[in-house]
Amino acid sequence: AQSVTQLGSHVSVSEGALVLLRCNYSSSVPPYLFWYVQYPNQGLQLLLKYTTGATLVKGINGFEAEFKKSETSFHLTKPSAHMSDAAEYFCAVSDRDKIIFGKGTRLHILP
Amino acid sequence: DTAVSQTPKYLVTQMGNDKSIKCEQNLGHDTMYWYKQDSKKFLKIMFSYNNKELIINETVPNRFSPKSPDKAHLNLHINSLELGDSAVYFCASSQSGPGYTFGSGTRLTVV
Repeated sequence: AQSVTQLGSHVSVSEGALVLLRCNYSSSVPPYLFWYVQYPNQGLQLLLKYTTGATLVKGINGFEAEFKKSETSFHLTKPSAHMSDAAEYFCAVSDRDKIIFGKGTRLHILP
Repeated sequence: DTAVSQTPKYLVTQMGNDKSIKCEQNLGHDTMYWYKQDSKKFLKIMFSYNNKELIINETVPNRFSPKSPDKAHLNLHINSLELGDSAVYFCASSQSGPGYTFGSGTRLTVV
């Protein structure tokens, strides 16, 4: 069965600093991987997804993630944090029938 | 035009009542889902329907009954509401292939 582990339920970075949110997955089939963002009191918005092909995936708002099969990881990065990036971030894996979410990481941006 | 719309956005009701949440998508997708997000932000799939047929029914109390009158609609009816049902319920849809489009959620509060 597929599963997702997000390391760190809360991450704080200074404005302008690198953002790194960690995600490891377990999957018995080649995975589809996703990052979603949830702003306070809002729904989930797709940041980026990996299906096949290029392992470095670029998403919206300057985020990107790299699929590393050998490490079973799909970490999310952004070179320079902005105050508007403060939100809950969810890594997810698809087993073709459904998407399974990690427990989320709350990103705090320090002024 | 909203792609996946849920109504109502907020629902406050007393224990023991019966309530429904409606979801509609105008994307032409074949599959629709209900997810529950608890107070710790954990997202868990409840049901999925493909072309009006139930595909996934996770371990959910039978007080919860989904209904799909057509492939653009998936409603969720909840009988005998309990305090523990308080959560945010998200509807989503997808076409064949990875990635969902989520609605903005329905915040259910049982008092």
